Amino acid sequence: RKEVEQDPGPFNVPEGATVAFNCTYSNSASQSFFWYRQDCRKEPKLLMSVYSSGNEDGRFTAQLNRASQYISLLIRDSKLSDSATYLCVVLRGNTPLVFGKGTRLSVIA
Amino acid sequence: EADIYQTPRYLVIGTGKKITLECSQTMGHDKMYWYQQDPGMELHLIHYSYGVNSTEKGDLSSESTVSRIRTEHFPLTLESARPSHTSQYLCASQPSSGNTIYFGEGSWLTVV
Repeated sequence: RKEVEQDPGPFNVPEGATVAFNCTYSNSASQSFFWYRQDCRKEPKLLMSVYSSGNEDGRFTAQLNRASQYISLLIRDSKLSDSATYLCVVLRGNTPLVFGKGTRLSVIA
Repeated sequence: EADIYQTPRYLVIGTGKKITLECSQTMGHDKMYWYQQDPGMELHLIHYSYGVNSTEKGDLSSESTVSRIRTEHFPLTLESARPSHTSQYLCASQPSSGNTIYFGEGSWLTVV
């Protein structure tokens, strides 16, 4: 079983829609969680960290459920520019960050 | 913006050639990484280093080697390139005291 699992998608949504991605992690010792965004043929970039109490950055909301070991990302009022692959990332101790395979989002006009 | 640079950005090379992909960062980060990623596919960690003279193999077996003689540089070498090495190679760095990882723009390698 992969340490970080994501639905690969693609999620095809119209502009203005709300879309949510989930990610599950298998190691309960995982400490920190992040969402990265990767545009086609570009490098991944940090979108936001995920805090236990949940956090919001504009149209983006991240949630963490430690009991069920999953992380979510909600995007409201989707824009064409949101089209990308969203990577769930988990940190455990002093080991390298673990990246999920990514969920592909395509926002359609 | 992250100050991490990779050269060359694009390289087409013949089978059997030796190549070195360069990666430099000016942020003083102790941790550096090399990932391999085919288009549309997941990232695979192939090497990492947590400081000078310290290197480790990642999750994906790779025929490449790395060195970390200076904090700023983390070059990756393929002694004898093969078509199966065709891929994008992404270098990244991370401060010891922080969690955010910063990626370079990647090196696209094609072996013919």
